[in-house]
Order: sequence, then structure tokens, then C-alpha cells
Amino acid sequence: GAVVSQHPSRVICKSGTSVKIECRSLDFQATTMFWYRQFPKQSLMLMATSNEGSKATYEQGVEKDKFLINHASLTLSTLTVTSAHPEDSSFYICSARDVGNTIYFGEGSWLTVV
Amino acid sequence: AQSVTQPDIHITVSEGASLELRCNYSYGATPYLFWYVQSPGQGLQLLLKYFSGDTLVQGIKGFEAEFKRSQSSFNLRKPSVHWSDAAEYFCAVAASGYNKLIFGAGTRLAVHP
Repeated sequence: GAVVSQHPSRVICKSGTSVKIECRSLDFQATTMFWYRQFPKQSLMLMATSNEGSKATYEQGVEKDKFLINHASLTLSTLTVTSAHPEDSSFYICSARDVGNTIYFGEGSWLTVV
Repeated sequence: AQSVTQPDIHITVSEGASLELRCNYSYGATPYLFWYVQSPGQGLQLLLKYFSGDTLVQGIKGFEAEFKRSQSSFNLRKPSVHWSDAAEYFCAVAASGYNKLIFGAGTRLAVHP
């Protein structure tokens, strides 16, 4: 089946620094990718929709300047958490939609800000 | 507005027993419906999906789900649960224009030996 890969799977960064998470569709082209955040034992919260070649669409309450999303190609979207703080520590998951409208998820990335 | 309700937060079943996880959705048009499974600390794996056609959908790992428009439901079933099925299960509906998925709160499944 279709595979979506995220990297890194785990990252620890210092407060005030920025960290980038990559999301790749390995065997299909994805014009649309989605970024979610998940708190422990909770459901997924959609942060933004990333469209190749255009600006991301952010959900209400998500800071655009803090969570920078770039969808530079049909197989790659990146999420950059800028000036990270401990409250940004979370599990971030991306997903990608194929031409058949099925959405596949990556393995997730654990971010810890110390 | 679109929404998904998973009434059961936790379910515990014995290995070998049958399973049904409930999902109700609210959506004006014909929805795209999905079930995903998430193991602790992992991403989500697609179990099955419904777009149109046969309302009984077969998925991976022996799971199936039935779309019932009259009840706005898309319940997930498995005839015989294995210990490895213990995980979190999410039902999701694609919102208008198919721009994004709306997730239910999830159901945590525990399997007793």
C-alpha cells in the first residue's frame, strides 16, 4: 500500500530554537498533505492543509508564523516549529492524499522541547 | 458542521470474542468514511474506507464496516479479536470538498487473553 514517511521520528530541541519535520509520500504524488497534532490519549487536531505550490491553509487558532509549512514538491511537505517552547512538545503526524482521495498517514514525529 | 462521534472511549474484549466499534457521523451529503488504527506512539494505519457502492466494506486484518445511511453510522466489526488488535481506533469523515478529515475521539481497545 501507499507509504508516507516522516522524519525525524523523535527530536529533542532546546527552547527558542527551530526544528523541521519532513513528510514524504514515497510511492505516490500528493498534491495535498495535512499536518496534525496529537496530545496524549487524545484525538488528532488538524493544524493545516498543505497544497503543493501554494500557501498552506491553517485551522483557526493555529499560529502561522510559529508553524511554518512548505509543500515544495508533490512528494514533500515540511513543518517547521519556530522558536519552540516546552508547550510545543507533542506528537505531530502528517498525512497525504492520493489521486483516489484516500488519505495515508505517516508514522508521526515526537517533539520534545527542553 | 461535520462531526464524528465514537460513543465508547474504552472497550475490553476477550481474545477470540467478536468486536463492534461504533461510529456515528453528521454530514449533509454522502460522506467519505474511514477507520484508522493507531498503536501506542505510532502513526495511523488505514483499515478500510467507504466512498460509494457496496455498503459492507472489507478491510485489512479481518476488519469490516457497514455504512448505514439511515442511522448515520459506520460501525467497525471483527468476528474474532486477536491480542495484537489492542490499539486505538479512529473513525473519520471527509468534510465538504474533501479538504480534510474530521476525526472522532477514538476508542481504545483492550484485549484480555
